[in-house]
Amino acid sequence: DTGVSQDPRHKITKRGQNVTFRCDPISEHNRLYWYRQTLGQGPEFLTYFQNEAQLEKSRLLSDRFSAERPKGSFSTLEIQRTEQGDSAMYLCASTPHSNTEAFFGQGTRLTVV
Amino acid sequence: QKEVEQNSGPLSVPEGAIASLNCTYSDRVSQSFFWYRQYSGKSPELIMSIYSNGDKEDGRFTAQLNKASQYVSLLIRDSQPSDSATYLCAVKSLGGGGADGLTFGKGTHLIIQP
Repeated sequence: DTGVSQDPRHKITKRGQNVTFRCDPISEHNRLYWYRQTLGQGPEFLTYFQNEAQLEKSRLLSDRFSAERPKGSFSTLEIQRTEQGDSAMYLCASTPHSNTEAFFGQGTRLTVV
Repeated sequence: QKEVEQNSGPLSVPEGAIASLNCTYSDRVSQSFFWYRQYSGKSPELIMSIYSNGDKEDGRFTAQLNKASQYVSLLIRDSQPSDSATYLCAVKSLGGGGADGLTFGKGTHLIIQP
């Protein structure tokens, strides 16, 4: 499978716990994006990487959120001290260039109880 | 603040008819426009992209862009029950400040009635 891969697909965690999600983009894509989607809403941009450099962060990304792409390949998104409001689908997308089509992974559905 | 507006629906269309989905956007410097289909509980799937004014056809799908009116639409011909999904309009701007990512509308829920 050469598409964008995300792991895990589902995560249930207790409030206050830390969680980490992984995204493996399409191999030749140097841009990687993280989005969050809640019920009834479109995806909201969180952050993106060009290769290993994190070039943009949304105001939605509080200091409890951190993302890395250490070698310019896979990326991780960590949420510390999770809150019930963090419950959402976390989507990763990749694209070879800034202005071209972005392809999404299957998403990680987070439920904070 | 970049905004993308879509009618949330539901939009109900008989099988075999043409479904017309509309989207308006606020940022005049937007350059790239995309339609994604999203089934319930699944991730968005890219179905069309359009970059210049006019129509772009791909199979049963036609995307239409009018930058002067800041309007983009998606037509689905010969609608099938499998087309029932939420359709997300996404817009990308070039350069400037702010997020480099896509700005999405809330989506239009389309129901194709057999």
